[in-house]
Amino acid sequence: GAVVSQHPSRVICKSGTSVKIECRSLDFQATTMFWYRQFPKQSLMLMATSNEGSKATYEQGVEKDKFLINHASLTLSTLTVTSAHPEDSSFYICSARPLAGGPEQFFGPGTRLTVL
Amino acid sequence: KNQVEQSPQSLIILEGKNCTLQCNYTVSPFSNLRWYKQDTGRGPVSLTIMTFSENTKSNGRYTATLDADTKQSSLHITASQLSDSASYICVVSAWYYRDDKIIFGKGTRLHILP
Repeated sequence: GAVVSQHPSRVICKSGTSVKIECRSLDFQATTMFWYRQFPKQSLMLMATSNEGSKATYEQGVEKDKFLINHASLTLSTLTVTSAHPEDSSFYICSARPLAGGPEQFFGPGTRLTVL
Repeated sequence: KNQVEQSPQSLIILEGKNCTLQCNYTVSPFSNLRWYKQDTGRGPVSLTIMTFSENTKSNGRYTATLDADTKQSSLHITASQLSDSASYICVVSAWYYRDDKIIFGKGTRLHILP
């Protein structure tokens, strides 16, 4: 149980285009989903926290107009990287916290974004 | 300042050997400490989670310890296997009513040689 999926697993796009990444909790409902970015050989960096039905809370330094987060249901959150540039190339990982509560988070497998 | 420090930064050992990874933290108020394994190009997978009252927890060949007084944790891997090659991340949570602040360590990169 407690599986989180991400789609796509890998995406290559041209500079200036927008890319949407989906994060789904497959066998549980999640009140809260988290979006992280990870550069090579670095730790995960929290970008934003999203709660179902409300606006996401962004970490300092993360542009909310560039990284649009939608958490429309208890099983789906999306991250849209708008007008992507090569410096946005990174590994994006989501995690989900079950509705049942508690501190545990379950991570998705990640999405590798490459912007040419 | 809430911080999580891991050591060593990287470690190379031979297959079959044991190893211990360290995690020191200055997080308050402490809620829980988790160890994750992250394979290259994958999301982290939970190994153990410990609260304040727990001082050891095992998951197969992985054994985590927690000393809440000294704010130290260790992850011991027994009889290492090639598949143990990965980054191991220590994550500490500070619990604020109905929410928590999650602090990630930078990880230890473990390489198992045949």
